[in-house]
Amino acid sequence: GAVVSQHPSRVICKSGTSVKIECRSLDFQATTMFWYRQFPKKSLMLMATSNEGSKATYEQGVEKDKFLINHASLTLSTLTVTSAHPEDSSFYICSARVLAGFGEQYFGPGTRLTVT
Amino acid sequence: QKEVEQDPGPLSVPEGAIVSLNCTYSNSAFQYFMWYRQYSRKGPELLMYTYSSGNKEDGRFTAQVDKSSKYISLFIRDSQPSDSATYLCAMRRGQAGTALIFGKGTTLSVSS
Repeated sequence: GAVVSQHPSRVICKSGTSVKIECRSLDFQATTMFWYRQFPKKSLMLMATSNEGSKATYEQGVEKDKFLINHASLTLSTLTVTSAHPEDSSFYICSARVLAGFGEQYFGPGTRLTVT
Repeated sequence: QKEVEQDPGPLSVPEGAIVSLNCTYSNSAFQYFMWYRQYSRKGPELLMYTYSSGNKEDGRFTAQVDKSSKYISLFIRDSQPSDSATYLCAMRRGQAGTALIFGKGTTLSVSS
């Protein structure tokens, strides 16, 4: 299957600072990427849909000024958590959809964010 | 009624058993169906994907879609301890830009 990478895999930051998470599709192009958040033993919660070259579409309840998403190319999307607080601590996972054919969707390995 | 329903389990089976995982859905517009496996603290891994109705087989895994009943299944034959994970069904309507709708996931434990 196709590979999606995420960096960093784990990050600890102080309250009030910003953190950037990168998501890359390594061997395919993805016009659409998705960002999810997952709490322990809970299912995936879609935060936003990101289309290359345009503004992200955020799900209801997700603050777009807090979770900045940039999708600058067909293989890279970034999520920046601004002015992080302890309640932002979570597992963040990106996903990329294959451009052609079925349009299957592959996930990155996730980033565990801890805000102290 | 939630769009996608999935029994969270946990489901415990002995090694070698046939496992049946299921999801029901309410939106008849869903056409693309996927199954993911997620190990603890990892991103979901795409196992199978099917379009519309029918069966699809890949090794020990078989995905089945019954659109008339709005019911999808994933069968795992000769289950192994390494199959112990959470299995998520997912589906979407169209091709362009629509997000996947996920079930809550079923936790499977295969004992040796």
